Amino acid sequence: GAVVSQHPSWVICKSGTSVKIECRSLDFQATTMFWYRQFPKQSLMLMATSNEGSKATYEQGVEKDKFLINHASLTLSTLTVTSAHPEDSSFYICSARDGRVSNSPLHFGNGTRLTVT
Amino acid sequence: QKEVEQDPGPLSVPEGAIVSLNCTYSNSAFQYFMWYRQYSRKGPELLMYTYSSGNKEDGRFTAQVDKSSKYISLFIRDSQPSDSATYLCAAEGSNYKLTFGKGTLLTVNP
Repeated sequence: GAVVSQHPSWVICKSGTSVKIECRSLDFQATTMFWYRQFPKQSLMLMATSNEGSKATYEQGVEKDKFLINHASLTLSTLTVTSAHPEDSSFYICSARDGRVSNSPLHFGNGTRLTVT
Repeated sequence: QKEVEQDPGPLSVPEGAIVSLNCTYSNSAFQYFMWYRQYSRKGPELLMYTYSSGNKEDGRFTAQVDKSSKYISLFIRDSQPSDSATYLCAAEGSNYKLTFGKGTLLTVNP
């Protein structure tokens, strides 16, 4: 099945610094990728839709200047958390669907656990 | 009211039991329904993906969709300790966005 790889799997950073998270589709091309955030014992909340070659679409309440998304190629999307604060500590998960398969479901990466100290 | 409601549990069963996990949804525009399994500190893993009302079986897992009552279920037969995880139901509408339930934490005791 379709494989989505996410890196790093965990990161600790100091308050005020920026962190970049990478999401790659390993064996398929993805014109669209999705970024989710999950707080402990909560469900996944969609943050933004990443579109290859164009601007990302952010969900209501998500600061686009804080969560920078770049989808520069058909297999790579990056999420940069700028000027991170402790309240940004969370589990960030990307997902993509295989465009070669009709009605393909979403496949998820293994997530990145961000801790801001 | 959330668009997808799921009892968060926790649910604890003995090994070998049949597990029933359920969700309800309110948006008639939802067309596709999924069940994901999520182990601690891992991303969700797709278990089942269904479109129409009825049953879909894959090994020990059966997904059931009843669009008339807006009810989706996942049954796990002969449950194993390795099935212990959080199970997330999800629904997708025409905008290709997924709406997730809160997840049910399942523990299968040996």
